[in-house]
Amino acid sequence: DTGVSQNPRHKITKRGQNVTFRCDPISEHNRLYWYRQTLGQGPEFLTYFQNEAQLEKSRLLSDRFSAERPKGSFSTLEIQRTEQGDSAMYLCASSSTSAGDNEQFFGPGTRLTVL
Amino acid sequence: GENVEQHPSTLSVQEGDSAVIKCTYSDSASNYFPWYKQELGKRPQLIIDIRSNVGEKKDQRIAVTLNKTAKHFSLHITETQPEDSAVYFCAAAETSYDKVIFGPGTSLSVIP
Repeated sequence: DTGVSQNPRHKITKRGQNVTFRCDPISEHNRLYWYRQTLGQGPEFLTYFQNEAQLEKSRLLSDRFSAERPKGSFSTLEIQRTEQGDSAMYLCASSSTSAGDNEQFFGPGTRLTVL
Repeated sequence: GENVEQHPSTLSVQEGDSAVIKCTYSDSASNYFPWYKQELGKRPQLIIDIRSNVGEKKDQRIAVTLNKTAKHFSLHITETQPEDSAVYFCAAAETSYDKVIFGPGTSLSVIP
């Protein structure tokens, strides 16, 4: 499978626990994005990377959220001390800044439920 | 920052009719306007996009128009089919590889 993959696909956790999600982008894609989508809403930008550098972090992202892309390939998104309001679908996307097709391709998402 | 609004929030059409979804954006720095289709439980998928140097783009039954002066852009689907039923999101970004700001979505139902 050469598309964007995300693991796990579903995560149920109790309030106050930490969770970590992983995203594997399309090979050779240097940009990687994290979005959050709640029911009935459009995806909301969280943060993005070019290679290993984090270019921007949304003001909506509290300091309980941290994202890394240490080797410029896969990325992890960690949420510390989860709250019920963190329940959402977390989407990862990747793209290339090279000339040509630089559309953002989305992964299947990780659905987080905080009890 | 950028803000994208979208109307209507729900749209129901008879099979074979046309559907139109309209969006506005706020940031004049936006130059890339993608449209995504999201079926229930699935990931968003790009169906068409338009850049600011183009006023209109067509791909089979789908067309998009852009009025950069008014900061309006629209999606037109002709000869709708039941498989067009989904949620459609308009979006805006500075370039195709910058962060994308999405509208709230339009739930389209095509009635056979």
